[in-house]
Amino acid sequence: GAVVSQHPSRVICKSGTSVKIECRSLDFQATTMFWYRQFPKQSLMLMATSNEGSKATYEQGVEKDKFLINHASLTLSTLTVTSAHPEDSSFYICSARMAGGLYNEQFFGPGTRLTVL
Amino acid sequence: AQSVTQPDIHITVSEGASLELRCNYSYGATPYLFWYVQSPGQGLQLLLKYFSGDTLVQGIKGFEAEFKRSQSSFNLRKPSVHWSDAAEYFCAVGGNQAGTALIFGKGTTLSVSS
Repeated sequence: GAVVSQHPSRVICKSGTSVKIECRSLDFQATTMFWYRQFPKQSLMLMATSNEGSKATYEQGVEKDKFLINHASLTLSTLTVTSAHPEDSSFYICSARMAGGLYNEQFFGPGTRLTVL
Repeated sequence: AQSVTQPDIHITVSEGASLELRCNYSYGATPYLFWYVQSPGQGLQLLLKYFSGDTLVQGIKGFEAEFKRSQSSFNLRKPSVHWSDAAEYFCAVGGNQAGTALIFGKGTTLSVSS
């Protein structure tokens, strides 16, 4: 149980295009989902917190108009990187907190590798 | 400020030797603590977690960690390292409030020599 999927696992796009990444909780409902970004050989940095049915809360320094987050249902959150540029190339990881779950336990997706040419 | 410190950036251990990865945290509320492992190009795998109760926590792959509140530490240990344990290890802290994200340390790279 408690499986989180991400799609796609890997995407390569041209500079200036937009890319959508999906994060799904497969066997549980997630009231809150989190989006992290990881640069090579670095740690995970929280980008935003996404609550179902409301606007995402972005961390300082994260451009909300560039990284659009939608959490339309209890099992799906999407991250859209708009007008992507090479510096947006990174590993994006989502996590989901189970609705009614104890101890704020979060379950992580396998990540999406974005490469912007 | 809330933070996680992993003092060792890179550790090399001989196969079969014991391992200890250090983790110190600063957190204003009751901390929930986690250790994750990440292989190159892969996602995170949860090794173990501490929420409450027994301060010595057993995890997968033979790992254990001990929560020491007085030292604000949650060090990861393994009595005998295998070559397949070579990976990146992350310590993380979170709270019990809804919507609280995890705060990650910078990670420790483990290399295993034969």
